[in-house]
Amino acid sequence: AQSVTQPDIHITVSEGASLELRCNYSYGATPYLFWYVQSPGQGLQLLLKYFSGDTLVQGIKGFEAEFKRSQSSFNLRKPSVHWSDAAEYFCAVGARNYGGSQGNLIFGKGTKLSVKP
Amino acid sequence: DAGVTQSPTHLIKTRGQQVTLRCSPKSGHDTVSWYQQALGQGPQFIFQYYEEEERQRGNFPDRFSGHQFPNYSSELNVNALLLGDSALYLCASSFVGPWGEKLFFGSGTQLSVL
Repeated sequence: AQSVTQPDIHITVSEGASLELRCNYSYGATPYLFWYVQSPGQGLQLLLKYFSGDTLVQGIKGFEAEFKRSQSSFNLRKPSVHWSDAAEYFCAVGARNYGGSQGNLIFGKGTKLSVKP
Repeated sequence: DAGVTQSPTHLIKTRGQQVTLRCSPKSGHDTVSWYQQALGQGPQFIFQYYEEEERQRGNFPDRFSGHQFPNYSSELNVNALLLGDSALYLCASSFVGPWGEKLFFGSGTQLSVL
């Protein structure tokens, strides 16, 4: 079955510290992988995506993620966290089909990030 | 340029009632997808509309139906509401171009079923 697992429900880091959010996926075909961020009362904003090529992907707001096929993982990292990064982060997997559309995205349950001053 | 607009922002209904949620896509976008996000969960795909037809559907009962209009806006209808339908309903619009595709999400409609 296709699924996304985010093992950490809630993570607290100090401002300026590094961050790594974990994501593991189960998908039959070569996956397309995404990280989204959601602030309270807001929709989802795309941080970065992996389709193919270089397995280290750079995104917005200083985030990066590394695709590791052997571990079925796509972990999100940031070297120095800012207080404004406090939000909920979702990993998602999908396939390109139907005329090129991403179509059905399968999301994990999310990791809530709190930032200590 | 307005992003994806959803209305209403909040809605309270009782069990058994019917509800209609609306979505206006980002300018230039022709594809609309709907997701349900229950409290403490990630979004779940309901269905996607393109060229006024349902192109793909997730694992949701027939009580969930939709429509896309010629101007690409979309509606999500839920009949015979259940308590379990209480959730944040997210609309995402997109356009597949030579550079690829990027989904833009609206802020959602929070539906409470009492």
